[in-house]
Amino acid sequence: DAGITQSPRHKVTETGTPVTLRCHQTENHRYMYWYRQDPGHGLRLIHYSYGVKDTDKGEVSDGYSVSRSKTEDFLLTLESATSSQTSVYFCAISEGAVEQYFGPGTRLTVT
Amino acid sequence: GENVEQHPSTLSVQEGDSAVIKCTYSDSASNYFPWYKQELGKGPQLIIDIRSNVGEKKDQRIAVTLNKTAKHFSLHITETQPEDSAVYFCAASTRGGSQGNLIFGKGTKLSVKP
Repeated sequence: DAGITQSPRHKVTETGTPVTLRCHQTENHRYMYWYRQDPGHGLRLIHYSYGVKDTDKGEVSDGYSVSRSKTEDFLLTLESATSSQTSVYFCAISEGAVEQYFGPGTRLTVT
Repeated sequence: GENVEQHPSTLSVQEGDSAVIKCTYSDSASNYFPWYKQELGKGPQLIIDIRSNVGEKKDQRIAVTLNKTAKHFSLHITETQPEDSAVYFCAASTRGGSQGNLIFGKGTKLSVKP
């Protein structure tokens, strides 16, 4: 998985609680991305980062925030989890904003 | 914005046969087209990609073709093997714009029967 780890790998949480997912890379790539994967929707971009402290919104950013204080770490936060955010979340990295390499994913269940 | 359609959603072939998955895109400015393979419980793995200045690219048993005029591209797998069974995703993006954001198709589940 191209030097990418995601934590936790599985999480069950209750509606209304905050949740933070972590993506860690050892490749020193500039670009990092968060996607969600849902049946019938494929992969959809939530947020991405093009450098430390530089982030922007993707296609489905409502209800999510991100932070990147170090090159190697990109955090995704659900401020108040809802059942519609039950999904599998993937982090991806890219050196030059072209080829993207994905992590192993985090399965999040909001009850 | 860009929209990517992928067909078929499921594909079943006999071992040794060829498999073809097709995608169409809407934004004529898109110039980068990767294909990903996703095995159960794992993240998508980049298996091949093509730029808009190339019509075809091969890597062993897999090949990708691109028709810019018709705005469609295809993945071809020859001599399929059971380990090729997975979900395959196509994607499109505009290199240099929007920081390389990929728009994905909804996937094709390929089953290779021994």
